[in-house]
Amino acid sequence: AQSVSQHNHHVILSEAASLELGCNYSYGGTVNLFWYVQYPGQHLQLLLKYFSGDPLVKGIKGFEAEFIKSKFSFNLRKPSVQWSDTAEYFCAVGRSGGFKTIFGAGTRLFVKA
Amino acid sequence: NAGVTQTPKFRILKIGQSMTLQCTQDMNHNYMYWYRQDPGMGLKLIYYSVGAGITDKGEVPNGYNVSRSTTEDFPLRLELAAPSQTSVYFCASSYGVPGELFFGEGSRLTVL
Repeated sequence: AQSVSQHNHHVILSEAASLELGCNYSYGGTVNLFWYVQYPGQHLQLLLKYFSGDPLVKGIKGFEAEFIKSKFSFNLRKPSVQWSDTAEYFCAVGRSGGFKTIFGAGTRLFVKA
Repeated sequence: NAGVTQTPKFRILKIGQSMTLQCTQDMNHNYMYWYRQDPGMGLKLIYYSVGAGITDKGEVPNGYNVSRSTTEDFPLRLELAAPSQTSVYFCASSYGVPGELFFGEGSRLTVL
């Protein structure tokens, strides 16, 4: 069955630290890859997406993610986090030609000011 | 532009009661979804719809029902509420790109 694994459930960083959140998926076909963010008390919003082409994609607020096909990974990165990045981050996979989106369990990021 | 609108935002139910969570979108999206979010579990798909009149089960459909009589509306009905249905429910819609979803603000349901 298709699944999405996020490596860390909780991450605590100080402001200006670098961030990398791991995501692996288990599906061998063509997929669309996403990172969603949920700020405290809010709904999920799209952070960035990958469909095809350049495996390094840039999203909003300085986030980027790299698709490594051979590793079935789509890790999220940010060079320098801010207190306002405190949120829960979800990796998600949509199978090309399919209707369902599979989400990882989420990673809660807390950034200390 | 309202996007995806869910009501109510909060609700407390007693065991055995029934209720309907409303979801409407104004983006003319064909695809609509209901997810539940539980701490540490991510989002689990309850039901989805690929167009008016067409619905299908997701990962965790038991205890829920849906209907899709119009493109805009996708209500989720809870029959005989149980404590296990205490959760945050999110409605989402999509214009068809697999995985790219637009979410409502969520409905927090507590069953006591």
